[in-house]
Amino acid sequence: EPEVTQTPSHQVTQMGQEVILRCVPISNHLYFYWYRQILGQKVEFLVSFYNNEISEKSEIFDDQFSVERPDGSNFTLKIRSTKLEDSAMYFCASSGGDTSNQPQHFGDGTRLSIL
Amino acid sequence: AQSVAQPEDQVNVAEGNPLTVKCTYSVSGNPYLFWYVQYPNRGLQFLLKYITGDNLVKGSYGFEAEFNKSQTSFHLKKPSALVSDSALYFCAVRDPWVTGGGNKLTFGTGTQLKVEL
Repeated sequence: EPEVTQTPSHQVTQMGQEVILRCVPISNHLYFYWYRQILGQKVEFLVSFYNNEISEKSEIFDDQFSVERPDGSNFTLKIRSTKLEDSAMYFCASSGGDTSNQPQHFGDGTRLSIL
Repeated sequence: AQSVAQPEDQVNVAEGNPLTVKCTYSVSGNPYLFWYVQYPNRGLQFLLKYITGDNLVKGSYGFEAEFNKSQTSFHLKKPSALVSDSALYFCAVRDPWVTGGGNKLTFGTGTQLKVEL
């Protein structure tokens, strides 16, 4: 069964540094998402991406965050200047079809630790 | 705004017994509802969804969920629990009437299911 893959599985970064989290969505999917889960808290929506542009973003997704689909397979999340509170598990997801009722399929996540 | 509540942090059940994990939601229109399961150090795995039609939906691994519009609930059920069902379960909602078209999912806080021998 096709999967969403994320790299790296764990990223440790100094506060203030830039970090890029990488995702390879399922190949025929059209919608891409990033969510995050702070330890012990619920999964929170960050951003959705369709047709090479952001279609929706949350209040969390401020100017420090950006997303990109640099080629036909990768989908990246960049945090420009990391803060301690950015420490969390970041999940990439994708969904297919041209209707919004398709389930989102998640990767195993990248654990981001900011020191 | 859309929201989801999972009133139980943990549910304990004996293997072979039926299980229920509760979820209630709030949206402005008719909801799209989903259940996901998370095993340790893994991502969220899709179990089942309700979009329209029959209120009882069946999903993976013998799980099912019942949509109840009057009670705004979407409880997850399984007739006979297995130890291997022990995991963290998340209910999620999408409000298709929200403009923006971003397909944003709003998750509950999760319920830890523990199935014991």
